[in-house]
Amino acid sequence: GQQVQQSPSSLVLQEGENAELQCNFSSTATQLQWFYQSPGGSLVSLLSNPSGTKHTGRLTSTTVTKERRSSLHISSSQTTDSGTYLCAIVGGSNYKLTFGKGTLLTVTP
Amino acid sequence: EAAVTQSPRNKVAVTGGKVTLSCNQTNNHNNMYWYRQDTGHGLRLIHYSYGAGSTEKGDIPDGYKASRPSQENFSLILELATPSQTSVYFCASGDGLGGNTQYFGPGTRLLVL
Repeated sequence: GQQVQQSPSSLVLQEGENAELQCNFSSTATQLQWFYQSPGGSLVSLLSNPSGTKHTGRLTSTTVTKERRSSLHISSSQTTDSGTYLCAIVGGSNYKLTFGKGTLLTVTP
Repeated sequence: EAAVTQSPRNKVAVTGGKVTLSCNQTNNHNNMYWYRQDTGHGLRLIHYSYGAGSTEKGDIPDGYKASRPSQENFSLILELATPSQTSVYFCASGDGLGGNTQYFGPGTRLLVL
């Protein structure tokens, strides 16, 4: 089945530093979605980006479809960015999302 | 943004008992999904639906049933709950179009004793 690998598994930054999160997937993705999950919280959709580059606020996602990889760049990190970032793909016509295990980001003051 | 609500938010059940988790969405999305999230496994798809009356098996359907009586409502049913079903359950909805961005509910924490 489809596999999604995220790296690093955890990341600690000081406030103001930039974060780069990686997502690699094993099969062609018709959709790729980045989510944020606060500790004990639900998932919030950040970006849907199956190909190319997308920006929203301090977030930039770049997906290279033929290389089966995506990245999420967080600029000028803030303590409120702390949490888990999940990458998920849709690999076919059934609209099922397959998730990676996430990157736990901790931003210290 | 789609509004997805779940009830109950927390549930304690006994082994062998029946548990029903409910999900409601108000944005008229065709597709709905049930996931569970466990440490070390991430989020895994249990059942999903393309519309009222339809249910499909996801990646880990054993021990679970689903029901989609209407466009808005999608239930997950544990007929005989087991401790291994202790988890956090998330419902999501998506329109199935343009890549099907999915929107998640707040989650239900289930503890089976």
